[in-house]
Amino acid sequence: DVQLVESGGGLVQPGGSLRLSCEVSGFTFSRSWMSWVRQAPGKGLEWVANIQQDGIEKYHVDSVKGRFTISRDNAKSSLYLQMNSLRVEDTGVYYCARDQEGKDYWGQGTLVTVSS
Amino acid sequence: EIVLTQSPATLSLSPGEAATLSCRASQSVGNYLAWYQQKPGQAPRLVIYDASNRATGIPARFSGSGSGTDFTLTISSLEPEDFGVYYCQHRYNWPQTFGQGTKVEIK
Repeated sequence: DVQLVESGGGLVQPGGSLRLSCEVSGFTFSRSWMSWVRQAPGKGLEWVANIQQDGIEKYHVDSVKGRFTISRDNAKSSLYLQMNSLRVEDTGVYYCARDQEGKDYWGQGTLVTVSS
Repeated sequence: EIVLTQSPATLSLSPGEAATLSCRASQSVGNYLAWYQQKPGQAPRLVIYDASNRATGIPARFSGSGSGTDFTLTISSLEPEDFGVYYCQHRYNWPQTFGQGTKVEIK
């Protein structure tokens, strides 16, 4: 059974930091591109970042560049999103997903709330 | 950045009817377009990848077509479980982007 389990979300003040994790099982993590996608309350989906299998190639949406960093640990089958200088507009559910020809496996999401 | 525009915003249909959803790209994305279904409180689910390929477990009533800038998702005969919000998304270049979604609701 494929499982992607996100953790690390919570309430944080503007300017604060969080580190999201996504623990994967059921497929060969080290051979897979991985993504983070977020969804603000009541809004649509927004791609946040992607990382190649070996962790060298990384891409981030402009609105998070310089603040968020995607990374992975293939030995632990885990994906991460380090989020610094958080803003109110970063509030939402953050999903990790495997990215093949499409994002075929998704986690259940973790809620990040940025508020004072 | 490639902008994906979906239409209509809302589609009100009855079970058994056909649904036609459109996604238009601001520039060519080749066939690198996917469709996702999302229900309230759930993660998105991949329906179609690379414009016309059904994802694993997706029923044959779902079909995708198009290339370049114009794409269509067709549901031939709506089942109750097909209602939800559908998003298109390209992977032609960075940043990947999603359309704003089409809500398929019960009439």
